[in-house]
Amino acid sequence: DTAVSQTPKYLVTQMGNDKSIKCEQNLGHDTMYWYKQDSKKFLKIMFSYNNKELIINETVPNRFSPKSPDKAHLNLHINSLELGDSAVYFCASSQAYRAETQYFGPGTRLLVL
Amino acid sequence: DQQVKQNSPSLSVQEGRISILNCDYTNSMFDYFLWYKKYPAEGPTFLISISSIKDKNEDGRFTVFLNKSAKHLSLHIVPSQPGDSAVYFCAASEGAQKLVFGQGTRLTINP
Repeated sequence: DTAVSQTPKYLVTQMGNDKSIKCEQNLGHDTMYWYKQDSKKFLKIMFSYNNKELIINETVPNRFSPKSPDKAHLNLHINSLELGDSAVYFCASSQAYRAETQYFGPGTRLLVL
Repeated sequence: DQQVKQNSPSLSVQEGRISILNCDYTNSMFDYFLWYKKYPAEGPTFLISISSIKDKNEDGRFTVFLNKSAKHLSLHIVPSQPGDSAVYFCAASEGAQKLVFGQGTRLTINP
């Protein structure tokens, strides 16, 4: 039974399109995160939600918009995709403010052509 | 400006020997350090952590050492096993709220 799941696992799309990545956790955690692993392999936090409220918003273009319909879900919408958006996106969850105990999803590999 | 760096992109070690993975950081406000392990097509999984009030933490074959004056931490795996082959990420946090990751080191254990 997967703790943190993401869909899709792979996403290939054209520049300018709008796409969404979904994330669900069944751990009962109240904090969820989105990370981007870029071409240099650094994992960088993009957003964090606690109880459906945005608590961390790093300097991410506003083409990226997270949406948390409930505590178990945190979706990532990306508008007007650009080549530089190609990366692996990881969703994670943890108990409130216990960043050291984050559980990660398998990642979504996004390729923008 | 990368606050956490792993300067060795890869490391190859003989099975049974010790693996030492290194990590450097620049932010002196970091107070918690972690190592994550990642297999292909999976997300990172938590391996071991250390608080800044300690200089060593051990969990079975895994030991993390912290040198605050040098802003350096290392992960020792002994003895190394084939199943340890993975990418290892070092991470740091300030106040347990946000993790800052290094770029990872790919460890290969040779039989």
